[in-house]
Amino acid sequence: SQTIHQWPATLVQPVGSPLSLECTVEGTSNPNLYWYRQAAGRGLQLLFYSVGIGQISSEVPQNLSASRPQDRQFILSSKKLLLSDSGFYLCAWRTGINQPQHFGDGTRLSIL
Amino acid sequence: QKEVEQDPGPLSVPEGAIVSLNCTYSNSAFQYFMWYRQYSRKGPELLMYTYSSGNKEDGRFTAQVDKSSKYISLFIRDSQPSDSATYLCAIFNNDMRFGAGTRLTVKP
Repeated sequence: SQTIHQWPATLVQPVGSPLSLECTVEGTSNPNLYWYRQAAGRGLQLLFYSVGIGQISSEVPQNLSASRPQDRQFILSSKKLLLSDSGFYLCAWRTGINQPQHFGDGTRLSIL
Repeated sequence: QKEVEQDPGPLSVPEGAIVSLNCTYSNSAFQYFMWYRQYSRKGPELLMYTYSSGNKEDGRFTAQVDKSSKYISLFIRDSQPSDSATYLCAIFNNDMRFGAGTRLTVKP
């Protein structure tokens, strides 16, 4: 069966520090991968998605970037965090265009 | 107008009640419909997935889709305290759109 792992679960970072969040999927190959940010009461905001290694699409201009160095690995990064980057970050995958997305358990990021 | 509208609640019901959660959407091109359940500090978990109008049942949960009205519902029968969570509707064709989520509390 397929599983998705996200780490860390919780992260507290100072303003201006770098960020690296990692997501890996097991039990499937060539998944579509997604990064979302979830703000309380505001739903899920799609940040990046990837249909293959090295292929990244950005949905909104921001202080963040994403990379997909391996088929089942998706990384969310920032060189300098802003206070507004605080939030709950979720990674998701799906196998095909008409299939539902499956989510990891997220990383709660607090910027001080 | 948002593509998916969902009442954020919060919704509080006694144990054993029937719960009705609803979403409306604006674009008839969306053909696939889902409900996710999200516990506090966890990621959304897929509950129901359907692509046709009508009802789909899974245990105590029933998903209902009315494409003509662009209206989707999730019914929970015999609600339990363990059903307390935020429920998100989602629709997609090529792109996925989520509702903001309805926070449900089932009181023992």
